[in-house]
Order: sequence, then structure tokens, then C-alpha cells
Amino acid sequence: EVHLVQSGGGLVQPGGSLRLSCAASGFTFTTYWMHWVRQAPGKGLVWVSRINSDGSDANYADSVKGRFTISRDNAKNTLYLQMNSLRAEDTAVYYCGRSAPTEYWGQGTLVTVSS
Amino acid sequence: EVVLTQSPDFQSVTPKEKVTITCRASQSIGSSLHWYQQKPDQSPKLLIKFVSQSFSGVPSRFSGSGSGTDFTLTINSLEAEDAATYYCHQSSSLPFTFGPGTKVDIK
Repeated sequence: EVHLVQSGGGLVQPGGSLRLSCAASGFTFTTYWMHWVRQAPGKGLVWVSRINSDGSDANYADSVKGRFTISRDNAKNTLYLQMNSLRAEDTAVYYCGRSAPTEYWGQGTLVTVSS
Repeated sequence: EVVLTQSPDFQSVTPKEKVTITCRASQSIGSSLHWYQQKPDQSPKLLIKFVSQSFSGVPSRFSGSGSGTDFTLTINSLEAEDAATYYCHQSSSLPFTFGPGTKVDIK
């Protein structure tokens, strides 16, 4: 059974940093693109970033480009999102997901950027 | 960027009624259009991929159709458990985008 278990959210001050993790199991992690999608409170879904299967290629939404970095450790079956220079508008539930269309989603982790 | 618009924004429906949600893309996206269901405080769930392919385990009352720029999600014989927000999503070109969502409420 496919599982994506997220960790690493929390409260951070504007300008601060946070790293999200997404531990995958139940499938061959090394063969799938992985994605991050976020959802601000009471709002819709917004695609954030994706990374290819071996970690050599990544893409970002303009709103996070230059501040966020997606990466993966295929030996640990884990996806990451390093978030720097965080802003209030980055406050959201962040979801990791397998592929696009996203057939499997993590449980989501709340990131709150506030002083 | 491909902009997806959905209609209606909100629909209140009686059980067993048929629901139709439309999604329009600002440019042709071929068949790279997918539908998700999201209930409050839950992760989204994939219902339909590539316009009309049902994802594993999804009830047969959910179906999708369309091509190019105009797409439809149909829920035949709505059940109480279908109360949720429904999103369309395109993976044709970066940045991938989602529609604003359609909230379906049960009368």
C-alpha cells in the first residue's frame, strides 16, 4: 500500500526557514516524479514544485522560485522541500504527492509564517 | 500559464440528483485534465485522470468527458458522502494549475 508521511511543519517568523519532509513507502520511489502542492487557509490548491525521479531536474512556481528548493534522497525514499525567506503569504497546508496527476497524497503539514 | 475556470462555484444538490461541473482552460491542454475531490480537513483524492479515466476504487457514478479546452465532471445519482469541493487540474504545461474549485453541498 502506498504511503506518503509528511513531517516538518510549524510556526516560523517572516524571513525564516523550514524544511518539510515526505517519507514514501509501498512503491518504487526511484521511478516517480514527486510534487509539492499547497493550500492557504480556506483557499484552493496551488502547485508549488516538482522533481524528477533521480533528482536531476526540478521546476518551481514563480511565487517560490529562488526561495524554495525541492530535493530527494532516493536511498531514504524521502522527498524534501527547503523553504527559505518565508513570507506571510506562504502560510498554507503543504502536501507532497506522487506524479501528476497526483494519485497519492501525503496527509498535509501546516506551515504558519507569522511574527 | 494555463488558467482553469470552473462553474458553478457552489451547488446545493438533493441526493440521487445528477451533478455536472465544468472546467474551462484558457488554452488547449489536450487530454491532460484531471479531477480531484477534497473533503474538509482531508487531502485531495484523485477521481478522474486524463479526462475520462477513473482512478482505482472510485465509484462508477463519477465520470469525466471533454477535450481541448472544455471538460466536464459528472456525478450520477449523488450520495451524501459526495459532499465536498471538486477541483480540476492540468498537467499539460508548467506551471501546473488547478481550478478554483466547486463546492457541492447536500440539501
